[in-house]
Amino acid sequence: EVQLVESGGGLVQPGGSLRLSCAASGFTISNYWMGWVRQAPGKGLEWVANIKQDGSEKYYVDSVKGRFTISRDNAKNSLYLQMNSLRAEDTAVYHCGTEATWGQGTLVTVSS
Amino acid sequence: DVVMTQSPLSLPVTLGQPASISCRSSQSLVYSDGNTYLSWFQQRPGQSPRRLIYKVSNRDSGVPDRFSGSGSGTDFTLKISRVEAEDVGVYYCMQGTHWPHTFGQGTKLEIK
Repeated sequence: EVQLVESGGGLVQPGGSLRLSCAASGFTISNYWMGWVRQAPGKGLEWVANIKQDGSEKYYVDSVKGRFTISRDNAKNSLYLQMNSLRAEDTAVYHCGTEATWGQGTLVTVSS
Repeated sequence: DVVMTQSPLSLPVTLGQPASISCRSSQSLVYSDGNTYLSWFQQRPGQSPRRLIYKVSNRDSGVPDRFSGSGSGTDFTLKISRVEAEDVGVYYCMQGTHWPHTFGQGTKLEIK
């Protein structure tokens, strides 16, 4: 069974950092582009970042450029999102996945 | 960024009746490889997004054949031939042709 499990979310103060992890099972992530999508409370979906199979290409939405870094460890079948200089508007549930399959997400709350 | 505009934003439907959601993009979604990367997602209450349709009209595995996608260029449509109770949720179109990938605002389908 294909499964994606995110972890690492929580409450952080503005300006703080968090590292999200995504553990995949039931498939090999090295075959896929992987990404992070987020959903602010009561709002729609926003694509945050994408990374190519070998990590050679990465793309970010403008609002997180220079603050977030997407990475992957194909040997561990895992995806990561390092989030620095967090802002209140980054508060959201963050889902990892291929475009076809998404995890349940981890909640990031940025508040003082 | 490519703006994706969905209509309607609210869609009350009687069980067994058809439903249709429109999605328009601010730019052509035809990629240089000739493919059109337009997908449709369903998000049931409390769940993560689930992709239903990719590249305009291809159903994902396990998606009932009452769901169909059509369109080209900048105009796309998701149709449900006969709405069932399990179809309640929010539907999003998403373009994967241009970076950043962008979603429509979402269409909330409810049963009348």
